[in-house]
Amino acid sequence: GAVVSQHPSWVICKSGTSVKIECRSLDFQATTMFWYRQFPKQSLMLMATSNEGSKATYEQGVEKDKFLINHASLTLSTLTVTSAHPEDSSFYICSGGGRHPDTQYFGPGTRLTVL
Amino acid sequence: EDQVTQSPEALRLQEGESSSLNCSYTVSGLRGLFWYRQDPGKGPEFLFTLYSAGEEKEKERLKATLTKKESFLHITAPKPEDSATYLCAVQASWADKLIFGTGTRLQVFP
Repeated sequence: GAVVSQHPSWVICKSGTSVKIECRSLDFQATTMFWYRQFPKQSLMLMATSNEGSKATYEQGVEKDKFLINHASLTLSTLTVTSAHPEDSSFYICSGGGRHPDTQYFGPGTRLTVL
Repeated sequence: EDQVTQSPEALRLQEGESSSLNCSYTVSGLRGLFWYRQDPGKGPEFLFTLYSAGEEKEKERLKATLTKKESFLHITAPKPEDSATYLCAVQASWADKLIFGTGTRLQVFP
């Protein structure tokens, strides 16, 4: 099946530091990658959409200078949370599309806790 | 505005007790409707894609159906391992992104 990995699976950091999360498509080329945030007992909220080699498109209300997205290759996208604060603590999930034109395949998620 | 509403919010079933989950949607041109399963602390796992009204897909104890306004996920003779949150999402013809519902939290107890 289509497999997407994320690293790390969890991270704890101090307020004010930056954290990078990697998302890789392992057995397919993801022409488009998506980044979501999920708060406890809530559904997924799309943060941004990125295409390989292009700038990411951010959803309304998402700060592009705070959540830096890089989609350097067809198998790797990264999300950097800059100057993290406790309110950025959440479950971050990426997905990749491309194996089938429309279906998105999700990674296992990264739990970020900012102290 | 494109929107997805799932019901019920939560469902408790006895093992073997069949039921259905509902996903109502409004979208300006449907490209696809997707069902995912999400276990606590994990990313969503893809189940089905439906493209047009009348389409049906099956996988083990799950069967998804689609009309012009809603989709149903039928669970036949569920087992405790089917316990999870089931998410429905639509993709509009004009965009790549998915619009998710809030999910149905299913608990199946022995």
